[in-house]
Amino acid sequence: DQQVKQNSPSLSVQEGRISILNCDYTNSMFDYFLWYKKYPAEGPTFLISISSIKDKNEDGRFTVFLNKSAKHLSLHIVPSQPGDSAVYFCAAKSRTGGTSYGKLTFGQGTILTVHP
Amino acid sequence: DTEVTQTPKHLVMGMTNKKSLKCEQHMGHRAMYWYKQKAKKPPELMFVYSYEKLSINESVPSRFSPECPNSSLLNLHLHALQPEDSALYLCASSQTSGVGAGELFFGEGSRLTVL
Repeated sequence: DQQVKQNSPSLSVQEGRISILNCDYTNSMFDYFLWYKKYPAEGPTFLISISSIKDKNEDGRFTVFLNKSAKHLSLHIVPSQPGDSAVYFCAAKSRTGGTSYGKLTFGQGTILTVHP
Repeated sequence: DTEVTQTPKHLVMGMTNKKSLKCEQHMGHRAMYWYKQKAKKPPELMFVYSYEKLSINESVPSRFSPECPNSSLLNLHLHALQPEDSALYLCASSQTSGVGAGELFFGEGSRLTVL
């Protein structure tokens, strides 16, 4: 049972344009969502997060949107740069339940390629 | 220092060997984790340590034995592994409360090959 889904295995974008990465979840207990970026031969790096009490969080070129009713979130990167080329993982967690703070459920990942 | 350091980066072992993966962080985080990642799959949680005590074991086979000697170190002892255990093993750490509690800092991983 895949509770976090990233249905696009890959995305190709021109430098300077917008990259939109999508993520859907099924578990209504999830109330905190994160995006991680992963380069080859490196561990995932935290990018941005959003709590379920918000519908938008922005950090520089990165904005995450959350639509709770649709159980959908998206990551927008504007403008996209070649250095953004990496695998992007959506992750979700429930903040209830004591020591579950580190129990992230990851999506399958989307490979983003930004062409110069 | 915002690094999580994992050693070794690569490990090849036979099914009868005993080896260990090591992880270290100096960010003062009191939660540490082991995740396993197979090729083209997302990371999957194995263990969570909170204040040096095992708090979550995701039904991991006993051939994987975690250990948290102190708040900065996390080990994963490996014994009698199977070829299907070959994967990238990721260590992570985080705060245990507040806004940063869900934000994991990952190491680069230890790539394990079981022959």
